[in-house]
Amino acid sequence: NAGVTQTPKFQVLKTGQSMTLQCAQDMNHEYMSWYRQDPGMGLRLIHYSVGAGITDQGEVPNGYNVSRSTTEDFPLRLLSAAPSQTSVYFCASTGTANTEAFFGQGTRLTVV
Amino acid sequence: TQLLEQSPQFLSIQEGENLTVYCNSSSVFSSLQWYRQEPGEGPVLLVTVVTGGEVKKLKRLTFQFGDARKDSSLHITAAQPGDTGLYLCAGGRDNYKLTFGKGTLLTVNP
Repeated sequence: NAGVTQTPKFQVLKTGQSMTLQCAQDMNHEYMSWYRQDPGMGLRLIHYSVGAGITDQGEVPNGYNVSRSTTEDFPLRLLSAAPSQTSVYFCASTGTANTEAFFGQGTRLTVV
Repeated sequence: TQLLEQSPQFLSIQEGENLTVYCNSSSVFSSLQWYRQEPGEGPVLLVTVVTGGEVKKLKRLTFQFGDARKDSSLHITAAQPGDTGLYLCAGGRDNYKLTFGKGTLLTVNP
């Protein structure tokens, strides 16, 4: 019973490097989202998608790109990592509005 | 941006004590969700309330949604060390988006 799977769990990047955080869900949910969690800031929405081929910006989208080619996968791309992007990133999926958001275990990213 | 103000930010209590966490907003939400997060894990849903004035109980936890659907509270009776964790409230809208509060870090000491 996988639910939402995120990889990698930990990552260290140098400033300017690029990488992709992977997220996959096996619940056939239409809505998927990416959040970052920083101390004292709660969860802030980066990007979200309401279905394959449809993405939109959240509260803090700068420096991040997303795509949704399939219902299952929703990768998050950092094009040129900056120290300000050091954070814990969570992917979530939701089946119906106002119901449970299922979260992955998170990716702890450090940019040096 | 609709804000959810959550208080207190930190709470350290002794086992057996009662506590209340508050989540307040100037905006109306379709639903209010409470999540609990443990270190190194993603948040896990505790409850969803959708009707103004609604009260839900989950063992020693009592959740209430304000009459105007702008605020909510979480009350824990006789807290136990296993209740330790980060509690997050989230306001839901019909467009699937959730707005999270900053969280309450609860420590229950034996």
